[in-house]
Amino acid sequence: ETGVTQSPTHLIKTRGQQVTLRCSSQSGHNTVSWYQQALGQGPQFIFQYYREEENGRGNFPPRFSGLQFPNYSSELNVNALELDDSALYLCASSLQRTSGINEQFFGPGTRLTVL
Amino acid sequence: DQQVKQNSPSLSVQEGRISILNCDYTNSMFDYFLWYKKYPAEGPTFLISISSIKDKNEDGRFTVFLNKSAKHLSLHIVPSQPGDSAVYFCAAISGTSYGKLTFGQGTILTVHP
Repeated sequence: ETGVTQSPTHLIKTRGQQVTLRCSSQSGHNTVSWYQQALGQGPQFIFQYYREEENGRGNFPPRFSGLQFPNYSSELNVNALELDDSALYLCASSLQRTSGINEQFFGPGTRLTVL
Repeated sequence: DQQVKQNSPSLSVQEGRISILNCDYTNSMFDYFLWYKKYPAEGPTFLISISSIKDKNEDGRFTVFLNKSAKHLSLHIVPSQPGDSAVYFCAAISGTSYGKLTFGQGTILTVHP
């Protein structure tokens, strides 16, 4: 069983640029969530995708957007990068259930630095 | 508005002793509470959870206690081992939140041999 993988591991961009981060879900999972973890903080929910549609969104501006593909992998796109976007971006996959909690399995993250 | 708070940034414990990590929350709608452990260069890994209808859940060396009236939960690790040294995050989720986890800021646990 393959776990959650993310690419790239590290990325350096300059202010105003655009970035795409990628995530491959754990086998059998149909839901992907993205989180931003700033230095010294806990992860903050950006959004979740289920069956290729956005299924919920946190308090992030529209320049943060995403996609989920038929194979359940996902992309996070950030336009017009700002210095405060520098953070660890975590992807988590889960299997949507009708009851109980959906245990989320996290990837190792992508460290984004905006200069 | 920080709905989940971990007020202790760090905790240092001797091997074999008990580690107690604390977490407070403000949102009464949370249904489940979870603890995640994170090592450097790895994503958070699930440790243990508790439903809001329970007050205790135990799994091996790990026990989570929930005090709903105080909106407080704690994770007890007994006995603590050097391999437990990591960042511990408390997280909460409500049934209406489409799987959105709300995390605390984390507590760095160091277990000394």
